[in-house]
Amino acid sequence: NAGVTQTPKFRILKIGQSMTLQCTQDMNHNYMYWYRQDPGMGLKLIYYSVGAGITDKGEVPNGYNVSRSTTEDFPLRLELAAPSQTSVYFCASTPGTGQNTQYFGPGTRLTVL
Amino acid sequence: AQTVTQSQPEMSVQEAETVTLSCTYDTSENNYYLFWYKQPPSRQMILVIRQEAYKQQNATENRFSVNFQKAAKSFSLKISDSQLGDTAMYFCALPSNTGNQFYFGTGTSLTVIP
Repeated sequence: NAGVTQTPKFRILKIGQSMTLQCTQDMNHNYMYWYRQDPGMGLKLIYYSVGAGITDKGEVPNGYNVSRSTTEDFPLRLELAAPSQTSVYFCASTPGTGQNTQYFGPGTRLTVL
Repeated sequence: AQTVTQSQPEMSVQEAETVTLSCTYDTSENNYYLFWYKQPPSRQMILVIRQEAYKQQNATENRFSVNFQKAAKSFSLKISDSQLGDTAMYFCALPSNTGNQFYFGTGTSLTVIP
C-alpha cells in the first residue's frame, strides 16, 4: 500500500513550456485534490475531484487543468508555464466527505525560469 | 466563507518543555472536523491530530493534545515533552462538510532547541 504517490519530485521548466504532474493513490479514495504551497505560506486548493469523471475548480485554478478518468489517477496539467507557478505542488486524497483525514503525497517542487 | 487563522508565524521551545500553537477559525457549520498537520523539512504533510466538533472531549495523541473551544472558535495544539523531531511547520486545517474544500492556515514554524 503506497498511499499517494507523485511524480516527478523536482522539475525545472522554461517559461511557456508545458508539463503534467502525476498523482496516483491506491486507497480507492473518491476525493482527490491538488494544492500549491508557496514559500512560507499554507496550501491553496487548485482543483479537486469527487470521483472519476468529475472535477471542479478550487481557489487558484488559473493556468492549470485536470482530468480524472480513473479513481486512482488525478494528473495536473500546466500549460504555458509562468514564473508565478513556481511552487511546491501537493496531491491529496480522502475517502469521502470533509470528515475524513486527507492523505498527502510527498510533493513536487516546480521551478519556472 | 470558512477561514483559518494562525497568528504565530514562528515559535521556539526548549527540548522537553511544553509549547502551545494557536489556531482560530470561522465556520457557519455546526458539525465539523478540525485537523493539525505537521510538515517537517522533508515536506511531507503528516496528520498530527483531529478533533470532531460535536465531541466535548479534547483529542489526545501521545504527547499532542488540543484545547478545543467551540464557542470561541479556537483550536490550539499543545505539544508536551518537546523533542527535536517536532521541529516543523504546523498547519491548522478546516474542511467543508461537503469535502470539496480544505482550508489551511498560514502555518507556524516551530523550532525545538536542544
